[in-house]
Amino acid sequence: GAVVSQHPSWVICKSGTSVKIECRSLDFQATTMFWYRQFPKQSLMLMATSNEGSKATYEQGVEKDKFLINHASLTLSTLTVTSAHPEDSSFYICSAREGENEQFFGPGTRLTVL
Amino acid sequence: QKEVEQDPGPLSVPEGAIVSLNCTYSNSAFQYFMWYRQYSRKGPELLMYTYSSGNKEDGRFTAQVDKSSKYISLFIRDSQPSDSATYLCAMRATNAGKSTFGDGTTLTVKP
Repeated sequence: GAVVSQHPSWVICKSGTSVKIECRSLDFQATTMFWYRQFPKQSLMLMATSNEGSKATYEQGVEKDKFLINHASLTLSTLTVTSAHPEDSSFYICSAREGENEQFFGPGTRLTVL
Repeated sequence: QKEVEQDPGPLSVPEGAIVSLNCTYSNSAFQYFMWYRQYSRKGPELLMYTYSSGNKEDGRFTAQVDKSSKYISLFIRDSQPSDSATYLCAMRATNAGKSTFGDGTTLTVKP
């Protein structure tokens, strides 16, 4: 099946610093990538949708200047959490799909901001 | 009211039991229905994918969609401890559109 990887799997950072999370599709071309965050015992909250080579489309209430998304190639998208604060601590999950095929999720990145 | 409502659980069953997981929805435009399994601290894994109404079977898993009632179900036969996870339903209107997820049902299968 299709494989999506994320790096790092977990990260701890100080308040005010920026953190970059990578999402890669390993065996298919990800024309669309999605970024979600998930709080404990809660469902996935879609943050943004990105199409390769285009600007990301952010969901209502998600600050695009705080959560920078880059989808520069068909196999890589990055999410940068800028000036992270403790309330940004969460589980961030990406998913990727090729065309209208089903989306496949990465293993997630746990971010802890001290 | 949420577009997708999922039985919250948690659900605890003995090994070998038949498990029924359910979601209801309000958007009649939904045509594509998915079930994902998510282990703790991992990303969701696609289990079943169904288009429109009907049943789909894959091994011990059966997905049912009843569009007239706006109700979908996932049945797990002969449940195993390894089935212990959170199960998320998801659905969307078009194949190219974004999916709406339920909040998940946590299942524990006791040996």
